[in-house]
Amino acid sequence: EAGVAQSPRYKIIEKRQSVAFWCNPISGHATLYWYQQILGQGPKLLIQFQNNGVVDDSQLPKDRFSAERLKGVDSTLKIQPAKLEDSAVYLCASSLETGFAETQYFGPGTRLLVL
Amino acid sequence: EDQVTQSPEALRLQEGESSSLNCSYTVSGLRGLFWYRQDPGKGPEFLFTLYSAGEEKEKERLKATLTKKESFLHITAPKPEDSATYLCAVQTLNDYKLSFGAGTTVTVRA
Repeated sequence: EAGVAQSPRYKIIEKRQSVAFWCNPISGHATLYWYQQILGQGPKLLIQFQNNGVVDDSQLPKDRFSAERLKGVDSTLKIQPAKLEDSAVYLCASSLETGFAETQYFGPGTRLLVL
Repeated sequence: EDQVTQSPEALRLQEGESSSLNCSYTVSGLRGLFWYRQDPGKGPEFLFTLYSAGEEKEKERLKATLTKKESFLHITAPKPEDSATYLCAVQTLNDYKLSFGAGTTVTVRA
């Protein structure tokens, strides 16, 4: 079974530029998550989708971050404009459903460096 | 606010030297506690889910236990391939998100 796919794997941009990340979840998984992992810290949830709809975006900095999941499969996360503090690994995860104690499976992440 | 604290931050072991990692949590109500392994440059890999105090789960050289305040991940006779960062996360009764600790980085020397 194929895992969660993410691209690009690495991205270097200058501050105030924009950047987009793509995620393809495990086939059949209805729930998709975007996490931000700053060096030396655990992942922090940015946004959670159930099919096309947003379940939780309370920790998404909406002035600069946006995400969408068209057709309930692939998702994109965008940052515009980027700040230095956005340098982090952006992880995508998926689970079968949105439910308590559902196991989340993670992709390899996109490493973003903002200069 | 939910808090998850992992200790120690780093652990260096000799091959075969057993040890334990700690994950203490303060939450309003625990639904589940998750352990993940993360290798450098990769995403977290699921290991275990624990639901209630007294529960234990094992996988190869790893054993996870849960009390009302903390969880332990025991590594028995570790090998160099057990070197990784081990993350714990909690899910509460109130919402679906996982709140992660900062992780414990384990290095096992041959």
